[in-house]
Amino acid sequence: QKEVEQDPGPLSVPEGAIVSLNCTYSNSAFQYFMWYRQYSRKGPELLMYTYSSGNKEDGRFTAQVDKSSKYISLFIRDSQPSDSATYLCAMRTSNFGNEKLTFGTGTRLTIIP
Amino acid sequence: DAGVTQSPTHLIKTRGQQVTLRCSPKSGHDTVSWYQQALGQGPQFIFQYYEEEERQRGNFPDRFSGHQFPNYSSELNVNALLLGDSALYLCASTVGLGGYTFGSGTRLTVV
Repeated sequence: QKEVEQDPGPLSVPEGAIVSLNCTYSNSAFQYFMWYRQYSRKGPELLMYTYSSGNKEDGRFTAQVDKSSKYISLFIRDSQPSDSATYLCAMRTSNFGNEKLTFGTGTRLTIIP
Repeated sequence: DAGVTQSPTHLIKTRGQQVTLRCSPKSGHDTVSWYQQALGQGPQFIFQYYEEEERQRGNFPDRFSGHQFPNYSSELNVNALLLGDSALYLCASTVGLGGYTFGSGTRLTVV
């Protein structure tokens, strides 16, 4: 079993729709959770960085963490064609010396104009 | 504010050759990590450098080695290249428990 599971998609939605992206994890030592956006042939770009359970909002993006269920989500409101990309969830422990990021496989998202 | 810069952007090598990839971290960051990303997969952790020492290593063979310099920049070396080493190699930097900033990567093709 992988430590982080993410539906690879692909996911296609019409412009303006709300997008929901999800990851589950098995390692309870993970304490920090991130969402990255990666355009084709580019490096990942950090979108959201959260620690505690609950919601964190930044513009059209909302990150949700449920540590009791080991489940994280990213919601995109009013989706735009420019949101078309691969979205990667990533997480890390808080242990000094064990700070590597563990990624999901990524979900490929297409916003249809 | 310059982010993470990597060089070269693209590279083609022959099986058995050696390659060196370079990374300059974001200003203010002191920790550098390297990741390998195969097509359609999430990045896989290779190793992390802090204070010029390898602090943590992923499940990669000894053919993969690295170095961090006093100015925090870093190199990734891969010896005896295999076809399976073809991938996007990403460098990421951070400081403390902050988020990781990634470079655009080096796309390595082994033929």
